[in-house]
Order: sequence, then structure tokens, then C-alpha cells
Amino acid sequence: GENVEQHPSTLSVQEGDSAVIKCTYSDSASNYFPWYKQELGKGPQLIIDIRSNVGEKKDQRIAVTLNKTAKHFSLHITETQPEDSAVYFCAASSNYQLIWGAGTKLIIKP
Amino acid sequence: EAGVVQSPRYKIIEKKQPVAFWCNPISGHNTLYWYRQNLGQGPELLIRYENEEAVDDSQLPKDRFSAERLKGVDSTLKIQPAELGDSAVYLCASCPGRSSYEQYFGPGTRLTVT
Repeated sequence: GENVEQHPSTLSVQEGDSAVIKCTYSDSASNYFPWYKQELGKGPQLIIDIRSNVGEKKDQRIAVTLNKTAKHFSLHITETQPEDSAVYFCAASSNYQLIWGAGTKLIIKP
Repeated sequence: EAGVVQSPRYKIIEKKQPVAFWCNPISGHNTLYWYRQNLGQGPELLIRYENEEAVDDSQLPKDRFSAERLKGVDSTLKIQPAELGDSAVYLCASCPGRSSYEQYFGPGTRLTVT
């Protein structure tokens, strides 16, 4: 079955700098890769996603890249702000089931 | 548009007691998921519904967990009897339908079993 690994588990960056979170997956049949942001006491919020027929997608300060050959995808956040502090999860989907990474706690230092 | 609604938000029960969680998905969303999330981990799928049919319940501990979505809209997840290890956040998510992948989550119910 699918397995998703996510790194790092904790990431601390200075406000205004960029943050990058990386995930790898094992099932070459996976075709959908969402990223979720989870704040304390809330459910995961879909922030960006990418499908396997696209290599990169951008939405304002966030972007996701996908390398199907290497089976890895990454989340890039530029010009980080205090409100970006949260836990970020990647996931991979085949057959409509999401397999989740373990999460990255992003800390934005003022 | 209203998001996924879950209740209660918090529940504290003693072990061996029953507990139930309720979820109302986004209007028009045919697919509904129940997940369990332990502290510091990603969500784990318990069951997926397509309308009123449970199409994937392979990870639902059927000896004590049950779920229903009788009219294909809102859903209830039940645990009976609860065990200490069931303490977690129970999340409900919905998705527009089989041709869609995007899942939208509710705020979750935090269950504490003492």
C-alpha cells in the first residue's frame, strides 16, 4: 500500500523567510497530492493541491512542486508571516483514499 | 456556504461507556469520511461513505465502532464500549463526489476517555 514520509517534523524560520516542506510517496499510482494546514483545536484546512499531470502550482505565497519520477512533492511558503505558524500535512491519494504524512510543525520566529 | 459541522466539540467519558459523534457535511457533498487523529499524528481513515453506502470500512474496529449515514446526508459514529486508547480527535470530512478528490474537514470532536 501507499506510504508517505514527510520532513522535517519541525521547522523554525525567521518571519519573512521561506519555508520548504518535503514529502515522498511510494505508490506510483497516486495521482492527487494535497497539502493541509492544521491550527490548534481546528480541523485540517486544504491550502493547495496538485494532480499528477501538473509539475507545479502556485497560489499567492504558497506553491507546490511534484516530481513524479522521483516520487516526491514539496510545499513552498514565501515571505512567511506569524499566521503561517501551524502543523502542515501532506497526503497522497490513489483510489480516493488519502494517505497522510506525519506532519511538520512550522514555527515562525518574529 | 456552511462548512462541515460536527458535534459535540468535546466529550469526556469514563471507560466502558458509550459515545456518539455527529457530522453534517457540506450541502451537496456525496462522500463523507470519518477519521481519527491521535496527538502529533496525521488523520487515520475509519470509514468512507458514498451517499448512504459504506464503501470502505476496512479500518473501522467493528467490535466496538459503528457508523451510519441512513439518508446519505448526516452521519453518526458510535463507540461502545469506549476504551482508554480511544482518546483522540474524531474528524469528519466531506467531498463533492467520486470524481472529486478535495476533502473538507470539520473542527473535530475531542474525546477523552478516563
